[in-house]
Amino acid sequence: DADVTQTPRNRITKTGKRIMLECSQTKGHDRMYWYRQDPGLGLRLIYYSFDVKDINKGEISDGYSVSRQAQAKFSLSLESAIPNQTALYFCATSDIGGGNNEQFFGPGTRLTVL
Amino acid sequence: AQSVTQPDIHITVSEGASLELRCNYSYGATPYLFWYVQSPGQGLQLLLKYFSGDTLVQGIKGFEAEFKRSQSSFNLRKPSVHWSDAAEYFCAVGPKAYNNNDMRFGAGTRLTVKP
Repeated sequence: DADVTQTPRNRITKTGKRIMLECSQTKGHDRMYWYRQDPGLGLRLIYYSFDVKDINKGEISDGYSVSRQAQAKFSLSLESAIPNQTALYFCATSDIGGGNNEQFFGPGTRLTVL
Repeated sequence: AQSVTQPDIHITVSEGASLELRCNYSYGATPYLFWYVQSPGQGLQLLLKYFSGDTLVQGIKGFEAEFKRSQSSFNLRKPSVHWSDAAEYFCAVGPKAYNNNDMRFGAGTRLTVKP
């Protein structure tokens, strides 16, 4: 089984709808992240969490919110989706380990907002 | 501000030829350096990383990368490319500070392998 899973894998929705993307991990890592990937822009950090009581904004948090329900679960919400949020979304995890920022990625969720 | 530049958006090489993908970074200090590969429809997989020590690092799938401090570069190389190497490659930099998670990714280089 995959260490980092994301659901759904694909989603098409309409402008104004509320969407939740979910991420679960079995790696036992404390740190979890949400990124979006756009062609020509690479990955950009939306939010990250160092533990269940810690949530931090990333580079592009506007229009998004997150919830860390447990060590293993980190959800990303789009309260009112808009077309420019169409992108590939990745969840990632990393261990605390002394500044080692190696991250482990889920398979991605492709979101299309019409 | 920290940034990562991958100057080549798309590279095409013949199978069996050598490969070099370029990565330059701008950072206040020597960061942690990573190369990830993304196959179509897949997440990112770590190829290799540099934290300290020997500036030539070996990774999986026959890849290696060399850290050059004077050039702020971390180029990825492979002596002989296989068709299965066709993918998108991302260079990333991350801070060494324990409580800082400002990882930055380059825009990616897409590799096409000709038979």
